[in-house]
Amino acid sequence: GIQVEQSPPDLILQEGANSTLRCNFSDSVNNLQWFHQNPWGQLINLFYIPSGTKQNGRLSATTVATERYSLLYISSSQTTDSGVYFCAVSGAGSYQLTFGKGTKLSVIP
Amino acid sequence: SQTIHQWPATLVQPVGSPLSLECTVEGTSNPNLYWYRQAAGRGLQLLFYSVGIGQISSEVPQNLSASRPQDRQFILSSKKLLLSDSGFYLCAWGPRASVMVKQYFGPGTRLTVT
Repeated sequence: GIQVEQSPPDLILQEGANSTLRCNFSDSVNNLQWFHQNPWGQLINLFYIPSGTKQNGRLSATTVATERYSLLYISSSQTTDSGVYFCAVSGAGSYQLTFGKGTKLSVIP
Repeated sequence: SQTIHQWPATLVQPVGSPLSLECTVEGTSNPNLYWYRQAAGRGLQLLFYSVGIGQISSEVPQNLSASRPQDRQFILSSKKLLLSDSGFYLCAWGPRASVMVKQYFGPGTRLTVT
């Protein structure tokens, strides 16, 4: 199956700083999603981005499918951005998402 | 709008006892439904998925089973819980489509087996 690697595994930021999270995957995909899991466990879908670039407020994501990676940018971080960020992918014809192990982000005041 | 419910929110069960976790989706029809388990706060493992009533696919051989008795209801069960079944169980749904699109998660159930 497809392998998904996320980096860094842990990240500590001062409030107001910017960050870039990376997701590498081992095979071609037709689906890539970024999720944020808050400290209470709720998983929120941030982006559905199998290719290209999208922006939503302070967050943006870029997927370069031909080079098998995706980046999640967080600008002007806030304490509410803390949590774990997951990248998940699926291959052609699959209804199953394979998740990376996540990046744990801690934003300190 | 669509919503997904899971209950109970937390559960403490002794080893060897049965388990039943329920997930329901509102505001959509014919969804794809999924059960995931998350251990130690990281890494989601797909346990089961369903593309229709009575259609269940299992990803990992284990002590658990799943059923879909109604279009928008997905149940995770066990006849006898093991200590290793402890974890955070998440139900998710996605629209029925020729390819997978977005997936949406419920609030989860924290299960502790003692």
